[in-house]
Amino acid sequence: AQKVTQAQTEISVVEKEDVTLDCVYETRDTTYYLFWYKQPPSGELVFLIRRNSFDEQNEISGRYSWNFQKSTSSFNFTITASQVVDSAVYFCALSEMDSNYQLIWGAGTKLIIKP
Amino acid sequence: EPEVTQTPSHQVTQMGQEVILRCVPISNHLYFYWYRQILGQKVEFLVSFYNNEISEKSEIFDDQFSVERPDGSNFTLKIRSTKLEDSAMYFCASRDRVSNQPQHFGDGTRLSIL
Repeated sequence: AQKVTQAQTEISVVEKEDVTLDCVYETRDTTYYLFWYKQPPSGELVFLIRRNSFDEQNEISGRYSWNFQKSTSSFNFTITASQVVDSAVYFCALSEMDSNYQLIWGAGTKLIIKP
Repeated sequence: EPEVTQTPSHQVTQMGQEVILRCVPISNHLYFYWYRQILGQKVEFLVSFYNNEISEKSEIFDDQFSVERPDGSNFTLKIRSTKLEDSAMYFCASRDRVSNQPQHFGDGTRLSIL
């Protein structure tokens, strides 16, 4: 069974539009962490955010915001006023205390921002 | 800012040959990981390493794989007899002892098996 589901395989929007990337996770641990990573065409993995299971406060960082809802097991990522440089594959990941905090990855969402 | 470094950035190897991928984790980190990403697919966990031993490994990490921390700074992944399906990007990651810290990733080694 998928532990991290990113149902959107690819999203394409025009620059300056807002876009939300969905992530749904599954865990039985009470202590876990959720992450978003960005993978630009150059291939490296860029850490964006970490959220622990006890902190449901939403977070905003510039044009990026994250909405964590334990009730729906979701950790969605919104980019406002998207830019061409935001084009990348975005991965949501889960780490659980019971699994030595290894990262369990979603399939990724390819985001294309058109000028 | 300290970073995880991986060498080489690209490795081309004949099928059946052994290959060693090298990683230098961040110096005060205690937990080390290898992940694999087949082209166009998701990132998959291979193995975690702590206190000089494997702490977790996935089904992918079979007998052809091994990891080692030979000298206190390097962390290596060895693939004994490579197969075509081992072609992938291999990422090394490390984190410190505090559990809520994120894993820091290297830029990856692209392994191409011919």
